[in-house]
Amino acid sequence: QKEVEQNSGPLSVPEGAIASLNCTYSDRGSQSFFWYRQYSGKSPELIMSIYSNGDKEDGRFTAQLNKASQYVSLLIRDSQPSDSATYLCAVRGWGKLQFGAGTQVVVTP
Amino acid sequence: NAGVTQTPKFQVLKTGQSMTLQCAQDMNHNSMYWYRQDPGMGLRLIYYSASEGTTDKGEVPNGYNVSRLNKREFSLRLESAAPSQTSVYFCASRLQETQYFGPGTRLLVL
Repeated sequence: QKEVEQNSGPLSVPEGAIASLNCTYSDRGSQSFFWYRQYSGKSPELIMSIYSNGDKEDGRFTAQLNKASQYVSLLIRDSQPSDSATYLCAVRGWGKLQFGAGTQVVVTP
Repeated sequence: NAGVTQTPKFQVLKTGQSMTLQCAQDMNHNSMYWYRQDPGMGLRLIYYSASEGTTDKGEVPNGYNVSRLNKREFSLRLESAAPSQTSVYFCASRLQETQYFGPGTRLLVL
């Protein structure tokens, strides 16, 4: 079992709709959670971090964390074609940062 | 301020050849990392350096060596390349909880 699991997609989302991405992790001691965005052929860039249970909003992005269920999600509201990318979930346990394989999002006009 | 730079951008090697991937950062970060990214596997940590003069193995260190030359530079060496090392290699540096990635090196081993 992978330590950080994501649905690989592609997740097809109409422009203007909400994209919902999910991530589960196996290490109950994990403390820090991140979402990175990676455009095709480019390097990952950090878009969200979350450390406590609940929601954290930043512009059109909302990260949600539920440590009891070992689950972290990312919502992208009012999806735009520029949101088409692969989104990597990353989880930090005791010093280690583990990445999921990523979910590809395709926003269709 | 260039951030994290990597050279070369693309390289083709024959099995058994050696090469060094270069990485430099100008953000004065202590921690630096080397990852490889393969389809369906996500980013996997090869080696990291918490500070100048220290290096530690990550998840997939076999077949690689690293050198933290100074605070700015962290190089990755393949002594005898194998087809299984065909991948995209990313260098990163870290400030607090944020990792900053270089543009990557695409390596093809024939």
